[in-house]
Amino acid sequence: AQSVTQLGSHVSVSEGALVLLRCNYSSSVPPYLFWYVQYPNQGLQLLLKYTTGATLVKGINGFEAEFKKSETSFHLTKPSAHMSDAAEYFCAVSDFSGNTPLVFGKGTRLSVIA
Amino acid sequence: GAVVSQHPSRVICKSGTSVKIECRSLDFQATTMFWYRQFPKQSLMLMATSNEGSKATYEQGVEKDKFLINHASLTLSTLTVTSAHPEDSSFYICSAPDGRTLQQFFGPGTRLTVL
Repeated sequence: AQSVTQLGSHVSVSEGALVLLRCNYSSSVPPYLFWYVQYPNQGLQLLLKYTTGATLVKGINGFEAEFKKSETSFHLTKPSAHMSDAAEYFCAVSDFSGNTPLVFGKGTRLSVIA
Repeated sequence: GAVVSQHPSRVICKSGTSVKIECRSLDFQATTMFWYRQFPKQSLMLMATSNEGSKATYEQGVEKDKFLINHASLTLSTLTVTSAHPEDSSFYICSAPDGRTLQQFFGPGTRLTVL
C-alpha cells in the first residue's frame, strides 16, 4: 500500500520568499512521485514528477523537488514566491507501472502575502 | 502531450435525477481509466477503476449501484450518478494512463451540484 503525508495544510509566505512544501511518502515498491497544483475551481496541473534517474527534478514555474529515498521525502521548493503561486498543492505517489491510480496527500494551501 | 477531456465541465441537477459524465482520451487508447471525487477543500479520493471490456472495480465505501461506470471503448469511460442527492455534489475528475509512455493524464474535472 502507498500513502502520502503533506505536513501543513496551510503555508503562508511573503512575496519573494522561499517556498517549501513538505511531502513524505510510504511505498513498498519503488515510487513514482508527483506534485500537482490546483487553482480554485480548476483541474489539476502537473508541476513535476520523479520516476527514475536524477533525484532533483525541475518543473514548471520555477518549482523543483528532490527525491530523498533515505528520508522518504519529496519536498517541493521555489526560491522566490510570486503572487500567482497562491493555490492548492498536492503531492501524489504511484507505483512504477504507470498503470495504477495515484494516491494523493491531503493538500497544502499556499498563500502569498504582498 | 496527451489530452483527456471531460464533459460536461459543470452540471446542476435536481435531487433524484441521474447525471452522466464522460471522460475521453483524445489521442491515445486507454484500457484503464480512474475516477476520483474531490469534496470542497479536500483531496482527491479514488472512487473506482474503469476497465475496458470488463466490470469496474470500486473502492471501499463507494456504491457501485449508485455510481455506474461504463468503459464503452478504448477512448471513453462514463460515470453515471444515479438518483443524485445533495451530498453527491462534488468535483469529479478522471485520469487515464497512456500505455505508450506510462504517463497519466487528468481530465479538467466536472463540477456537479445537486439541488
